[in-house]
Amino acid sequence: NAGVTQTPKFRILKIGQSMTLQCTQDMNHNYMYWYRQDPGMGLKLIYYSVGAGITDKGEVPNGYNVSRSTTEDFPLRLELAAPSQTSVYFCASSLLGESNQPQHFGDGTRLSIL
Amino acid sequence: GQNIDQPTEMTATEGAIVQINCTYQTSGFNGLFWYQQHAGEAPTFLSYNVLDGLEEKGRFSSFLSRSKGYSYLLLKELQMKDSASYLCAVRPNNAGNMLTFGGGTRLMVKP
Repeated sequence: NAGVTQTPKFRILKIGQSMTLQCTQDMNHNYMYWYRQDPGMGLKLIYYSVGAGITDKGEVPNGYNVSRSTTEDFPLRLELAAPSQTSVYFCASSLLGESNQPQHFGDGTRLSIL
Repeated sequence: GQNIDQPTEMTATEGAIVQINCTYQTSGFNGLFWYQQHAGEAPTFLSYNVLDGLEEKGRFSSFLSRSKGYSYLLLKELQMKDSASYLCAVRPNNAGNMLTFGGGTRLMVKP
């Protein structure tokens, strides 16, 4: 059972470049999330989705875009990379239903913008 | 707004007991989660509390007091592998099962 899979694991971008961080889950979870984690800090929610075709902004959405065309995939797009976007990005998913459902996290993408 | 506070760092000795506190002020409350995160790895789920009281899971226990906006994670019989960050997260409401995370507590276990 693969769970939540993120690619790539590492990436270095130049200022102004664009890229897409991929996230796939095979647990048939309705909810998916993107977080960023700066060094020594907690997780900040960027965007989330409650199902295919539905996305919404989290706490820090500026500079990012998402789409959710299928239940499995939730890519995160950076259009014009800036040094402030250097961070570790985590994708997570959870199940609709019981209130004690935790979020399950991927291994993260470590992104540096130079 | 949402505010979740945890100590930044703690140090404890192998075999001892340590308590990591979390206080929260959020617009609503529908559950509190504790996650463990080893350096360079993803957070993994440890425990969930929604009612007042203690939830025990092996060496780990988590306590909640909703009236005080307070929770703690208790780790017993500490092992070196327990050196990690511990993240407290509150679900303010049931919409989207979203969580607001504290900054995390980095625990160092020494021999």
